[in-house]
Amino acid sequence: QKEVEQDPGPLSVPEGAIVSLNCTYSNSAFQYFMWYRQYSRKGPELLMYTYSSGNKEDGRFTAQVDKSSKYISLFIRDSQPSDSATYLCAMINDYKLSFGAGTTVTVRA
Amino acid sequence: EAEVAQSPRYKITEKSQAVAFWCDPISGHATLYWYRQILGQGPELLVQFQDESVVDDSQLPKDRFSAERLKGVDSTLKIQPAELGDSAMYLCASSLRTPESEAFFGQGTRLTVV
Repeated sequence: QKEVEQDPGPLSVPEGAIVSLNCTYSNSAFQYFMWYRQYSRKGPELLMYTYSSGNKEDGRFTAQVDKSSKYISLFIRDSQPSDSATYLCAMINDYKLSFGAGTTVTVRA
Repeated sequence: EAEVAQSPRYKITEKSQAVAFWCDPISGHATLYWYRQILGQGPELLVQFQDESVVDDSQLPKDRFSAERLKGVDSTLKIQPAELGDSAMYLCASSLRTPESEAFFGQGTRLTVV
């Protein structure tokens, strides 16, 4: 079993819809949580960084962490075709940065 | 804006040849990571440095891969000999310090072994 589980999708939504992405993890020692966006053939770009349970908003993006359930989420409101990408969750335990498999999202115009 | 620099962006090499990738992290970042990402999968850690010291290289295939960060700044990842299964994106990332700092990635080197 992988330490970080993420449904690879693919996920296809119409423009303007809310995109909901999730990851679960097994190691309760993970302390810091990140979401990255990766366009095709590019390096991952950091979107959100959180370290406590609860919600964090940044524009159209909301990151949610539930440490008791070992579950993190990313919501994208008013999705745009430019949001079409692979979204990777990542988390840090002491020093090790571990990633989920990534979810491929397509926003249809 | 500070960024992680990687070169080359693309590399095609023949099986059994040697290949090397270079990474220059964001200035002041003590932690440097090398990841390998196979198409359709998440990045997998190959090696992590704290300054010039290796913190984790448990997933590095040491019979053919080597990595160094001699002065605790830029880093080189080498593969010798390359195998067909090494075709992947090689990503470098850096962070100010772990575990509380976010990691920033370069654009990666896409390796194709023929």
